Amino acid sequence: DTAVSQTPKYLVTQMGNDKSIKCEQNLGHDTMYWYKQDSKKFLKIMFSYNNKELIINETVPNRFSPKSPDKAHLNLHINSLELGDSAVYFCASSHDSESEQYFGPGTRLTVT
Amino acid sequence: QQPVQSPQAVILREGEDAVINCSSSKALYSVHWYRQKHGEAPVFLMILLKGGEQKGHEKISASFNEKKQQSSLYLTASQLSYSGTYFCGTTRGGSNYKLTFGKGTLLTVNP
Repeated sequence: DTAVSQTPKYLVTQMGNDKSIKCEQNLGHDTMYWYKQDSKKFLKIMFSYNNKELIINETVPNRFSPKSPDKAHLNLHINSLELGDSAVYFCASSHDSESEQYFGPGTRLTVT
Repeated sequence: QQPVQSPQAVILREGEDAVINCSSSKALYSVHWYRQKHGEAPVFLMILLKGGEQKGHEKISASFNEKKQQSSLYLTASQLSYSGTYFCGTTRGGSNYKLTFGKGTLLTVNP
């Protein structure tokens, strides 16, 4: 029943490690996003995919690499994790770029 | 360009009204409003498009002044469930369809 799901919900890891976050939507949407929300609650877009094609790639370190194996999935892989990567990462999806976005529950990443 | 929201925080008693403003220095195509409760994901409230009408449902409505690049969210007769952080997000249209969020307005409704 969940419209947009993310795994894991919590991720605690050490600096230098590599980790992945998975996202799936069952809404039939064409567009998916990754957002980062820092400790000050600032919600900033990182990437957007439309039909598996990357359409938005903000100024994000290239340690972050999104992958969309199909329209319903958008994963985020992070290499060489740093303390500053600690945040809540939200996946979202929408019908198109001007439609309402449905957010996943978020993944709280803590880098120690 | 990040839109500017005001106020940063507001505290109400149940039943009171509030207005949250969102403004941009750039021409806007659309304004989106979301509410996020503590520890939860943002939830969509409404979209206002350039040339569109004022939107609203129940006691939450919004307006979009295209000439001033401003939008306002109106919450009337607030309920405890309205508490949360309200974000406006803006797009500039054309090939620039990125949704850029403001820093949010923390609304607290007390009994």
